[in-house]
Amino acid sequence: NAGVMQNPRHLVRRRGQEARLRCSPMKGHSHVYWYRQLPEEGLKFMVYLQKENIIDESGMPKERFSAEFPKEGPSILRIQQVVRGDSAAYFCASSPRTLSEAGANVLTFGAGSRLTVL
Amino acid sequence: GQQLNQSPQSMFIQEGEDVSMNCTSSSIFNTWLWYKQDPGEGPVLLIALYKAGELTSNGRLTAQFGITRKDSFLNISASIPSDVGIYFCAGQLNGKLTFGQGTILTVHP
Repeated sequence: NAGVMQNPRHLVRRRGQEARLRCSPMKGHSHVYWYRQLPEEGLKFMVYLQKENIIDESGMPKERFSAEFPKEGPSILRIQQVVRGDSAAYFCASSPRTLSEAGANVLTFGAGSRLTVL
Repeated sequence: GQQLNQSPQSMFIQEGEDVSMNCTSSSIFNTWLWYKQDPGEGPVLLIALYKAGELTSNGRLTAQFGITRKDSFLNISASIPSDVGIYFCAGQLNGKLTFGQGTILTVHP
């Protein structure tokens, strides 16, 4: 049973280009979360999606960032017109149900996509 | 928004020593979690705590969910070199995880 798969693991972009990060959740998981980690910092919540729906995007910058989780295929985090400050590790996590439900339901994280903006 | 204060920021210890780190918050959480992150990898869950006052062990790791629901600690006993990494606490409330800043652990053989 494969874990959360993220690709690419490393991505280099020049300022102004677009970055697309992909996340395939664990089999049977329909809830996806994206987190950003700046160097030597903790993870910061960006967006929470369920199949075809954005549930909570309160942590995502209002401009240039978008996320989707289509009915078929991986979840995608898209960053348009990247700037140097976007350089970070972007982690995807999945769960089989909402975190607020009781029980041993916690997130499983992928290995991350490391974006470097030149 | 919610913030977690995790301490210490870093620790340098000798192999065989015990380690203790903790997280405090001004807000309550329903669940406390402890993760470990190795370089270049994602966080891996170590221990999950679901009830205030709960004390849980996982091998050499022990963690407790504070009775006020605003804090948690993680202890590692008899440290070994492979314990090296960054340890993060995380609190869950209303379907969202908030992470601490991390504790960098270095173990000298």
